[in-house]
Amino acid sequence: QKEVEQDPGPLSVPEGAIVSLNCTYSNSAFQYFMWYRQYSRKGPELLMYTYSSGNKEDGRFTAQVDKSSKYISLFIRDSQPSDSATYLCAMTYLIQGAQKLVFGQGTRLTINP
Amino acid sequence: DSGVTQTPKHLITATGQRVTLRCSPRSGDLSVYWYQQSLDQGLQFLIQYYNGEERAKGNILERFSAQQFPDLHSELNLSSLELGDSALYFCASSVSGRETQYFGPGTRLLVL
Repeated sequence: QKEVEQDPGPLSVPEGAIVSLNCTYSNSAFQYFMWYRQYSRKGPELLMYTYSSGNKEDGRFTAQVDKSSKYISLFIRDSQPSDSATYLCAMTYLIQGAQKLVFGQGTRLTINP
Repeated sequence: DSGVTQTPKHLITATGQRVTLRCSPRSGDLSVYWYQQSLDQGLQFLIQYYNGEERAKGNILERFSAQQFPDLHSELNLSSLELGDSALYFCASSVSGRETQYFGPGTRLLVL
């Protein structure tokens, strides 16, 4: 079983729709949760970062963490064609002073105009 | 632009060859990470350096090695290349190794 599971999609929605992206994890040691956005042929770009259960909002993006269910989500409101990218969830914990970062497989998202 | 730079952007080579990928971290960042991204494996952590010393190892093959120099730039050496080594190789950096990582644009390696 992978430490982090993410539906690879692809996911295609019309412009303006609300998008929900999800990841589950198995390791209770994960402390920090992130969402990265990766455009084609580019490096991952940090989108959201949180460490506690609950919601964190940043503009049209909301990150949600449920540690009891080991489940995280990213919601995109009023989706735009420019949001079309691969979204990677990532989780991290410290082990022997070093950060271990584990990524999900990534969900490929297309927003259709 | 994350502030992390990687060279070269693209690399085409043959099986059995050796290549070196280079990474310069963001100004002030002491920690450098290397990742491999392929279609079937996703983003896989290879190795981390902090201020010149190896800090953590992931799924790095014995044919691969890395180092971080006094000026904090890092190199990833890939030797005895195989077709399956074709992938995107990313470098990331963070301040001390406990914070958010910022990724470079990657090096696309194609082994023929």
